[in-house]
Amino acid sequence: DIQMTQSPSSLSASVGDRVTITCRASQSISSYLNWYQHKPGKAPKLLIYAASSLQSGVPSRFSGSISGTDFTLTISSLQPEDFATYYCQQSYSTPTFGGGTKVEIK
Amino acid sequence: QVQLVQSGAEVKKPGASVKVSCKASGYTFTGYYIHWVRQAPGQGLEWMGWINPNSGGTNYAQKFQGRVTMTRDTSISTAYMELSRLRSDDTAVYYCASSIAVAGIDYWGQGTLVTVSS
Repeated sequence: DIQMTQSPSSLSASVGDRVTITCRASQSISSYLNWYQHKPGKAPKLLIYAASSLQSGVPSRFSGSISGTDFTLTISSLQPEDFATYYCQQSYSTPTFGGGTKVEIK
Repeated sequence: QVQLVQSGAEVKKPGASVKVSCKASGYTFTGYYIHWVRQAPGQGLEWMGWINPNSGGTNYAQKFQGRVTMTRDTSISTAYMELSRLRSDDTAVYYCASSIAVAGIDYWGQGTLVTVSS
């Protein structure tokens, strides 16, 4: 199985901060990488698919990029509703999720 | 509109089995795979497998092979996930989900809490 290593596992940030979360694949997965936001008691929400495509209805402050087997989710200006846990997921082969990044209020 | 509606919470004893249902509406059920994903308390998301509702073909994560069975009933647009030989660490919220409009998993059920306790 392809392993997805996500970092950091948690971070503290303030409203308005720029936040970057990274996910590294154990082998090439082309652009088959998706990002999700998950809040307690709710179903996960797709933010970015195919590494850099913004899902319909998701604010433009969310963006995704790729460099080789490294993928980045960026929140350009953190909003109060963005405090949540974020997961990457590869869909190149049998799906696997990263370990998650919990974004907490500083 | 697309909806995936799951069955209600379950409490099971260790060693028992649980079967969770996922009723789809608002799209062609046989056109898109159904994934099953779980989240144990304090843990991350874990992909369990998928079923092709058209053919019934399945692909299970290695961790669950031999314990999980995914089935479907196309006449009522419903997918099922059965997990056997339950252990306490199977306590989790189980989600069904599907990739319908885009490459990522864009539609999710509301989740079903399965508690395994003696």
